[in-house]
Amino acid sequence: AQSVAQPEDQVNVAEGNPLTVKCTYSVSGNPYLFWYVQYPNRGLQFLLKYITGDNLVKGSYGFEAEFNKSQTSFHLKKPSALVSDSALYFCAVRDTGNNNDMRFGAGTRLTVKP
Amino acid sequence: DSGVTQTPKHLITATGQRVTLRCSPRSGDLSVYWYQQSLDQGLQFLIQYYNGEERAKGNILERFSAQQFPDLHSELNLSSLELGDSALYFCASSVEVAGITDTQYFGPGTRLTVL
Repeated sequence: AQSVAQPEDQVNVAEGNPLTVKCTYSVSGNPYLFWYVQYPNRGLQFLLKYITGDNLVKGSYGFEAEFNKSQTSFHLKKPSALVSDSALYFCAVRDTGNNNDMRFGAGTRLTVKP
Repeated sequence: DSGVTQTPKHLITATGQRVTLRCSPRSGDLSVYWYQQSLDQGLQFLIQYYNGEERAKGNILERFSAQQFPDLHSELNLSSLELGDSALYFCASSVEVAGITDTQYFGPGTRLTVL
């Protein structure tokens, strides 16, 4: 079965610095990879996805993610963090070779300090 | 705004009771998913419906059931409620492209508190 891991529960960065939120995955077929963000008391908002094509995917709010097949990773990045980026970030993977199931990581809490 | 609506926003009830959560998917989306989010267990997939039929089942308890109606809205029924059922319940919807379900869009959630 597919799985997804977010190895950091918490990431702290200073405003204006680059940020990275890590995600690794395991699938039997081809992965569809997603990043979502959750602000307090809100639902998950879709940020970006990788299905095929260019390994660098650009999404909402200036975020981007790089698909690395050899390292089975899909890290979320942003060149310059904003305080308003502080939220809970979820990585998710859909395994097209395994009943199309979608699994979410445990989430990483990003805190951007002024 | 994702286009997915959920009602009610908040629900407070007592142990042993039964509640129904409602979800309306985005226009055109045939798939509906239900998730439970609690502090200690993260986001847990409960069940998926596609065009009225159950498509996939996750960690859904036997006390819980769901259905999707002809107009594609879905209801999640939680019965014999326990304190541990207190959580945020999210609905998500998606389209299907070439047999593969695409991006899931989430509703704002229903916060259930069992006292």
